[in-house]
Amino acid sequence: DGGITQSPKYLFRKEGQNVTLSCEQNLNHDAMYWYRQDPGQGLRLIYYSQIVNDFQKGDIAEGYSVSREKKESFPLTVTSAQKNPTAFYLCASARDRDQPQHFGDGTRLSIL
Amino acid sequence: QKEVEQDPGPLSVPEGAIVSLNCTYSNSAFQYFMWYRQYSRKGPELLMYTYSSGNKEDGRFTAQVDKSSKYISLFIRDSQPSDSATYLCAMSVALRGNNRLAFGKGNQVVVIP
Repeated sequence: DGGITQSPKYLFRKEGQNVTLSCEQNLNHDAMYWYRQDPGQGLRLIYYSQIVNDFQKGDIAEGYSVSREKKESFPLTVTSAQKNPTAFYLCASARDRDQPQHFGDGTRLSIL
Repeated sequence: QKEVEQDPGPLSVPEGAIVSLNCTYSNSAFQYFMWYRQYSRKGPELLMYTYSSGNKEDGRFTAQVDKSSKYISLFIRDSQPSDSATYLCAMSVALRGNNRLAFGKGNQVVVIP
């Protein structure tokens, strides 16, 4: 089945640790996005990429990093500089800039 | 003023009732409007996608856009318990370009059997 796969479903981070969230899509979509969802705050854009080897900061990029080495993959690293990382992280993709975004099922990150 | 306003609810309705959800927005440049449904612990699922003003119908779902009032609505007819979810509105200036979406906070709906 075609879709967007996020892993792991649940992730725990220790203080001072970097963790990486995986996002893979087999939809042949060019554009990929990372959002953070907090209760009562809706979705906020962290980073997005419209093409391989290129990505742009979103509204809340501080403490996060991404890479886009392959079209199907857009991993997100939550660094130790992100002081409030506990949230539900959602990856999305779109066929191109004319199409609406489709989402994966998210990764819930918590602090140990 | 927030770019997109959406009443978080929760909204409880009996099975078979019509569910009415809405969002208001401040940016008159928004042209593309979407409604997503999100079940607990899942990602949002695209329900409806409309361009500019007017109505769009898909089965039990109807999306309305009134650009003059900066107001969009989603109606669910003959609601079912399986419609219990959080509904998110989203909009963008243009899907060309960076395709950045502005989201409402989501409206929780509970359909009571």
